[in-house]
Amino acid sequence: NAGVTQTPKFQVLKTGQSMTLQCAQDMNHEYMSWYRQDPGMGLRLIHYSVGAGITDQGEVPNGYNVSRSTTEDFPLRLLSAAPSQTSVYFCASRGLAGTVGGELFFGEGSRLTVL
Amino acid sequence: AQSVTQLGSHVSVSEGALVLLRCNYSSSVPPYLFWYVQYPNQGLQLLLKYTSAATLVKGINGFEAEFKKSETSFHLTKPSAHMSDAAEYFCAVSAIDNFNKFYFGSGTKLNVKP
Repeated sequence: NAGVTQTPKFQVLKTGQSMTLQCAQDMNHEYMSWYRQDPGMGLRLIHYSVGAGITDQGEVPNGYNVSRSTTEDFPLRLLSAAPSQTSVYFCASRGLAGTVGGELFFGEGSRLTVL
Repeated sequence: AQSVTQLGSHVSVSEGALVLLRCNYSSSVPPYLFWYVQYPNQGLQLLLKYTSAATLVKGINGFEAEFKKSETSFHLTKPSAHMSDAAEYFCAVSAIDNFNKFYFGSGTKLNVKP
């Protein structure tokens, strides 16, 4: 019963490098999302998807790219990392069909440091 | 747009004392409301949620919260704190007409003193 799985758990990048944070869920959830968590700011929505082929921006989308080719996977891409992207990233999912008011299920997070 | 305010970034209580963590939301229509807990180096775990049924909601680990529309509040309480309750707690809202976006408060770190 894996739930939401994120990889890697830790990553150090240099400014300008690119990388992809992976997220997979095995609950057949239509909705998947990415958040970043910074001290004193709670969680802020980066991008979300309501199904394969459908993505949309959240509050802080700049510098991040996403795609959704399957129901299970929702990778987050940093095209040219900046120190301001140093953060802890969480992937979260929820079912949509018949789940009005349904909660988000979270992965364990990926801690990214950009030097 | 929705917003969530959590009063007090740090709350400290003695073991056995009442826990009260405050959450206020801004919305013209009562949203869906959630409380999550985050233990160090872990993801967020749902404590409880309000989805327009009973206004007093009971959750896991002895926590409960009461939805008060007149006060636009959803405060989290626990009658007797335990050392294992030390964690960070987040209040979140989701609009009933757009539940694609959740909005989180800035979090409250709960410290429990022996």
